[in-house]
Amino acid sequence: DGGITQSPKYLFRKEGQNVTLSCEQNLNHDAMYWYRQDPGQGLRLIYYSQIVNDFQKGDIAEGYSVSREKKESFPLTVTSAQKNPTAFYLCASSMEAARGIHGYTFGSGTRLTVV
Amino acid sequence: AQSVTQPDIHITVSEGASLELRCNYSYGATPYLFWYVQSPGQGLQLLLKYFSGDTLVQGIKGFEAEFKRSQSSFNLRKPSVHWSDAAEYFCAVGGGSNYKLTFGKGTLLTVNP
Repeated sequence: DGGITQSPKYLFRKEGQNVTLSCEQNLNHDAMYWYRQDPGQGLRLIYYSQIVNDFQKGDIAEGYSVSREKKESFPLTVTSAQKNPTAFYLCASSMEAARGIHGYTFGSGTRLTVV
Repeated sequence: AQSVTQPDIHITVSEGASLELRCNYSYGATPYLFWYVQSPGQGLQLLLKYFSGDTLVQGIKGFEAEFKRSQSSFNLRKPSVHWSDAAEYFCAVGGGSNYKLTFGKGTLLTVNP
């Protein structure tokens, strides 16, 4: 079955370290997105990509970086510059990148904890 | 800029009671509207969507929503709630050439036995 796979499900990081969250989709979707979720704050957009080798900053991109070298993959790196990285991270994808009328398909998330 | 307001942070209902979750949106053109549900520690699952046509849309798990342009609302309803419906519900808006969805902050639903 097609879907989005996020790994790992739980991730622990020491302060000052970079860490990369994986997101892979086999839905042949053009667009991919990274959201951060904190209690009571809903979903906040970090980065998004409409096509391979192109991506744009979302609302809270500081301290994060992404790449889109393959259509299927959109990894997110949480850098040491991110001041409060502990959160639940959700990856999503959509078809018809210019319209989005079908909504997004979400992965099951990665919970990152800084220790 | 587009935005979504979910006025109720937390709602508690009894099993078997009816449910209505409110969603108000701001968007400059004809919106695409979505409701998603999230169980604890999981991703979001699409319940239903509206982008044209009949303003009353049916979704999965017995949910429905009604688009009211005059009120800029897209409220989610269910006639009889089941204990398994306890989750967090998110409304989202997008549309036209803007494929980005904007999400509300969510409404947490608790179901009492």
